[in-house]
Formats: sequence, C-alpha cells, structure tokens
Amino acid sequence: ELKVEQNPLFLSMQEGKNYTIYCNYSTTSDRLYWYRQDPGKSLESLFVLLSNGAVKQEGRLMASLDTKARLSTLHITAAVHDLSATYFCAVDPSGGATNKLIFGTGTLLAVQP
Amino acid sequence: DAGVTQSPTHLIKTRGQQVTLRCSPKSGHDTVSWYQQALGQGPQFIFQYYEEEERQRGNFPDRFSGHQFPNYSSELNVNALLLGDSALYLCASSLTGRTNYGYTFGSGTRLTVV
Repeated sequence: ELKVEQNPLFLSMQEGKNYTIYCNYSTTSDRLYWYRQDPGKSLESLFVLLSNGAVKQEGRLMASLDTKARLSTLHITAAVHDLSATYFCAVDPSGGATNKLIFGTGTLLAVQP
Repeated sequence: DAGVTQSPTHLIKTRGQQVTLRCSPKSGHDTVSWYQQALGQGPQFIFQYYEEEERQRGNFPDRFSGHQFPNYSSELNVNALLLGDSALYLCASSLTGRTNYGYTFGSGTRLTVV
C-alpha cells in the first residue's frame, strides 16, 4: 500500500527565515500535488508536479519533484506570517489514470513575527 | 465560474442515524471524489464517481455509499453513524483525462456525531 510521509509534522519558524518541507512516498509515481489548508477550511491547490525534475515557484514557495528518489520538497523563502497553515502533499499512484489521491500526514507551519 | 459546492456546511447527528451530504462539481468537471478528513489528519479517499458509477473505492465500510446524478452532482450517504465518523468531508471534482490541472476541492461538510 502506498504511503506518503511528510517531515517535519510541525514547523515553527521566524519571519524572514528559509526552510524546507519534505514529502517521501513509497511507490513509483510521477504525479505529486501540494495543497495548503487554513484552519477549518478546505484545500487550496498550490502546485501540480508532473514529471521527474519538475520545479514550480509561486511567490515565496517553490516545489520540486525527484521521482527516482520518491521525494518532493516545498521550500519556503523569507517566510511571512501569512504562510502559516497546514501543507499537504498528495500522490496519484495511477499516474493520472484515476483521480485517487493519497495524502501525506501534513506539516503544520507556524511563522512567528 | 462556480467552484465545487458542498452542502450542508455543518451537521450534527446522533449515533445510529443516517446522513446525506451533497456536492456539485466545478463547471465542466465530470468526476467527483469524496474524502474524509479527521481532525489533525490528512484527507483519506472514500470513493470516486464517474458516469454515475463508483469507479474506485478506498478502505471504507459499506456503511459509506454514494451516488452520482446525470448532471455530475453527487451524494455521500453514511448509515449507522459512529462517533468515529465525525470529520470534515471533502468533495473534489476533476475532468477525466485532464488531471494535469489537479483537483478542485469544495469547502467541506463538518459532520459531528454525538
């Protein structure tokens, strides 16, 4: 059974600092998604990574995918308080043939002033 | 362009009761997936509907059932509610064959079983 693990589970960081969230998965997949969730809210799509070596950036967030290592990273540059949320990675083990996503455990990010 | 719409937003039920949750997919989407998100956890796949049929199912008991209508909207039914069914239920829609664009999630239904 596919497992998706995120590291760390909780991250407290100061404004202006950089950090990386890691997402490891246990089976071959070339499709990985990153979502943001604010408390009590739904999931907001951040990035869709569709191939080995894919890199996408939006504002202070940058995501990458290494399918050989079964690893994706979400890098935060010069964090600001507005980035405080829970971040989930999700893998589609079917390679896009189905719409079933397996989600990671989530990383709760708290950016302190 | 309306996104995914779910109703109701909140619901309180008693153990043993039955509940129906509703989802209208984003315009142009034809596939609806349902997820259960317990507090502090990642969403877990319940099942998926396409062309009015259940196409895939996660590791959930038969108490969880669903339906998709000709207009692509969907319902999730849960029978014989247990306290452990308390969760945020998320509906996600997509267009079959166009998953490169990801999935659009609704705002969810918060179900509390007492």
